[in-house]
Amino acid sequence: DVKVTQSSRYLVKRTGEKVFLECVQDMDHENMFWYRQDPGLGLRLIYFSYDVKMKEKGDIPEGYSVSREKKERFSLILESASTNQTSMYLCASSSTFAGTYEQYFGPGTRLTVT
Amino acid sequence: GENVEQHPSTLSVQEGDSAVIKCTYSDSASNYFPWYKQELGKGPQLIIDIRSNVGEKKDQRIAVTLNKTAKHFSLHITETQPEDSAVYFCAASREYSNYQLIWGAGTKLIIKP
Repeated sequence: DVKVTQSSRYLVKRTGEKVFLECVQDMDHENMFWYRQDPGLGLRLIYFSYDVKMKEKGDIPEGYSVSREKKERFSLILESASTNQTSMYLCASSSTFAGTYEQYFGPGTRLTVT
Repeated sequence: GENVEQHPSTLSVQEGDSAVIKCTYSDSASNYFPWYKQELGKGPQLIIDIRSNVGEKKDQRIAVTLNKTAKHFSLHITETQPEDSAVYFCAASREYSNYQLIWGAGTKLIIKP
């Protein structure tokens, strides 16, 4: 069974703090994704990584950065948290070589910035 | 820009009845169309997908139809059960990569007992 884990289910941070969201997958997947989920807006891609140390901006990268130093781990960093970054953050992974484009999701981190 | 529109945003059906959720996409280069189900407190999970060379695909009570000319695709759930209650998302692949998706806004499906 593919497993994608996220470091926290709930997180409360103050405006201006630096925030780290961690994601780990155990299936040796090449691709990893960070999404933001807001009601009525679906899932919006923040960043995508297709290999270690490789990253691509998604649709809403402003205010975020990412790090992928190891294949199984993909971190999302909020350099200076703001209240408009209060949201549900979802991490996902997928394989390039399995013949399927299926994305496997973690349970999400609900971040509140006060 | 690329986008996927999904309707309705909320759908309430009687247990045992059918449910249909519809999506339209803007990028004619999209060729992969998955549907994901998100249960409360969990991440989305793939339930069925279809590629552009196929018009319809069925898996037990779930089916997806694709009309490439009209750029729309639909999810059909027959004989709905309480465990079908969830949020459903459609998505379409981006022009340059089937690994990256553009997502619809989601449909909350409520099954009434």
